[in-house]
Amino acid sequence: AQSVAQPEDQVNVAEGNPLTVKCTYSVSGNPYLFWYVQYPNRGLQFLLKYITGDNLVKGSYGFEAEFNKSQTSFHLKKPSALVSDSALYFCAVRDNVGSARQLTFGSGTQLTVLP
Amino acid sequence: SAVISQKPSRDICQRGTSLTIQCQVDSQVTMMFWYRQQPGQSLTLIATANQGSEATYESGFVIDKFPISRPNLTFSTLTVSNMSPEDSSIYLCSVTKGLAGGTDTQYFGPGTRLTVL
Repeated sequence: AQSVAQPEDQVNVAEGNPLTVKCTYSVSGNPYLFWYVQYPNRGLQFLLKYITGDNLVKGSYGFEAEFNKSQTSFHLKKPSALVSDSALYFCAVRDNVGSARQLTFGSGTQLTVLP
Repeated sequence: SAVISQKPSRDICQRGTSLTIQCQVDSQVTMMFWYRQQPGQSLTLIATANQGSEATYESGFVIDKFPISRPNLTFSTLTVSNMSPEDSSIYLCSVTKGLAGGTDTQYFGPGTRLTVL
């Protein structure tokens, strides 16, 4: 079975400061990891994914995420937060074992960037 | 990527009625998924819809309540039947395009916000 946890319901950060949104996962085999962002009254937008290779993945809007196999984590980061980054962020995982193709989502983290 | 549209974008319905949500993709896709997102919650997968076969439902979801059609590679519908206030949610269509197994990115439509009175 695959699962993902986002331990923080809410993260507040001042504009211009670095931000981190945490995610840990559990899979049987190797993980495929994804980050999505949801703005109010919108669907989910894909930010980035880790499949294999370099542990630091760069994505849209200046976001990046670091895959850490020993800690089973895939934290989302950005060096300098913008007020427009305020949104709901979801981490998701898919196991490379078995036939299931669907993603399992975390509970979401509401990011608020304060001006 | 894939551009996905959903109709309607929102609706307010009466208890006991049914609503059919349409999902249209701008290109052919291999797999289509339907999710439910209750207010302030994460996404829950309802079913996976493949063209030419019956949809596969997740635990807690049944075909009589959420019938799904997938007539071709760019279109699917989800019907929410005999609605109750507990069905008030955002319903999201999602797709994958490739055949690369678990590495495929899933893309999401804008969602349909359903309120049942």
